[in-house]
Amino acid sequence: EVQLVDSGGGLVQPGGSLRLSCAASGFTFSSYYMSWVRQAPGKGLEWVANIKEDGSEKSYLESVKGRFIISRDNAKNSLYLQLNSLRAEDTAVYYCARPRGWSYFDYWGPGTLVTVSS
Amino acid sequence: QSALTQPPSASGSPGQSVAISCTGTSSDVGGYNSVSWYQQYPGKAPKLLIYEVTKRPSGVPDRFSGSKSGNTASLTVSGLQVEDEAAYYCGSSAGRNNFVVFGGGTKLTVL
Repeated sequence: EVQLVDSGGGLVQPGGSLRLSCAASGFTFSSYYMSWVRQAPGKGLEWVANIKEDGSEKSYLESVKGRFIISRDNAKNSLYLQLNSLRAEDTAVYYCARPRGWSYFDYWGPGTLVTVSS
Repeated sequence: QSALTQPPSASGSPGQSVAISCTGTSSDVGGYNSVSWYQQYPGKAPKLLIYEVTKRPSGVPDRFSGSKSGNTASLTVSGLQVEDEAAYYCGSSAGRNNFVVFGGGTKLTVL
């Protein structure tokens, strides 16, 4: 059974940093692209970042470029998102998700809440 | 402001059918056969219902169906059940720079 478990969220001040983690199991992690998707309170979904199977290619939502860094450790079946220079508008539940093609997400973690506030 | 436009709410009685629309542009919905739909209960993660416009993952009831015409996609829920009351989001491929874009969501109420 495919499982994604994201963690690491919390309350952080504007300008601060946080590192999110996602533990994957039930599939060959190193054979799949992985993504982060976020959802601001009461709002819709927003794709944030992608990373290729071997970590050699990464892509980001324009508004997080230069501030967020996606990475992975295939030996640990883990995905990460480093959030830097956080802004109030980054407040959201962040989901680890498995993308298929450049098309859709077939599995999602339960989400971890990031709150940026002073 | 979400990239794709969905009605904020929809409703129907048990046993009825309801359709939820998702309108984009030729750069997303109209340009790819890659529309997906997700069901989300409050406080839970989204669940994939439909992918590639009309396909259902294993385990999703055939009461859920998808279609597309031009820049507008639709999710139809037939034989509404109380447990279908949830938020529904559409998604679409949008090219390598934007990857996947989503709608703002539709809250379905089963009266």
